[in-house]
Amino acid sequence: KAGVTQTPRYLIKTRGQQVTLSCSPISGHRSVSWYQQTPGQGLQFLFEYFSETQRNKGNFPGRFSGRQFSNSRSEMNVSTLELGDSALYLCASSTGTMNTEAFFGQGTRLTVV
Amino acid sequence: GENVEQHPSTLSVQEGDSAVIKCTYSDSASNYFPWYKQELGKRPQLIIDIRSNVGEKKDQRIAVTLNKTAKHFSLHITETQPEDSAVYFCAASRWNTDKLIFGTGTRLQVFP
Repeated sequence: KAGVTQTPRYLIKTRGQQVTLSCSPISGHRSVSWYQQTPGQGLQFLFEYFSETQRNKGNFPGRFSGRQFSNSRSEMNVSTLELGDSALYLCASSTGTMNTEAFFGQGTRLTVV
Repeated sequence: GENVEQHPSTLSVQEGDSAVIKCTYSDSASNYFPWYKQELGKRPQLIIDIRSNVGEKKDQRIAVTLNKTAKHFSLHITETQPEDSAVYFCAASRWNTDKLIFGTGTRLQVFP
């Protein structure tokens, strides 16, 4: 069974640009969550999606947005990139039955220059 | 607000010794408490979890305890080995969501 796949693995963008990250969950998983990981802030929750609906949103500015498709794949978008957006972005998938194991992808390393 | 505090931030032990990492959560509605291990350059992976209706859970050398009254939960690793060296994260979640609130992480180093 394939794991959680995130693309691309690495991205370098310029301040002011926008970026789209993709996450393909484990087959059969309907819940996808996104996290930002930085050395200073640790793992911060961004969004949670279930059956194409955003179920929860973290404390990030409106420049961060996301969506989920009918096949459970998810994308997140960051507009007007800032230097502080440089981070490892991780997505995690789970079955959608509450409080079950979340399986993480390898992450997308975003560098904003 | 929702917050999880984790201590210590770094922990160094000799191989064979025990290691204990402690977390405190603020949201009294939390009822699911997983622990993740993240090796350098790799994804976080679940090592053990506990739900609020259980006070203790053990899996070989790893155990987790939960004190709901005090809002504390702890990870215990016995007979540590060099391959246990990693960053460990505790997390808390409510029953009706998969949203995880993570602690700040503990870097565990096990010296041979």
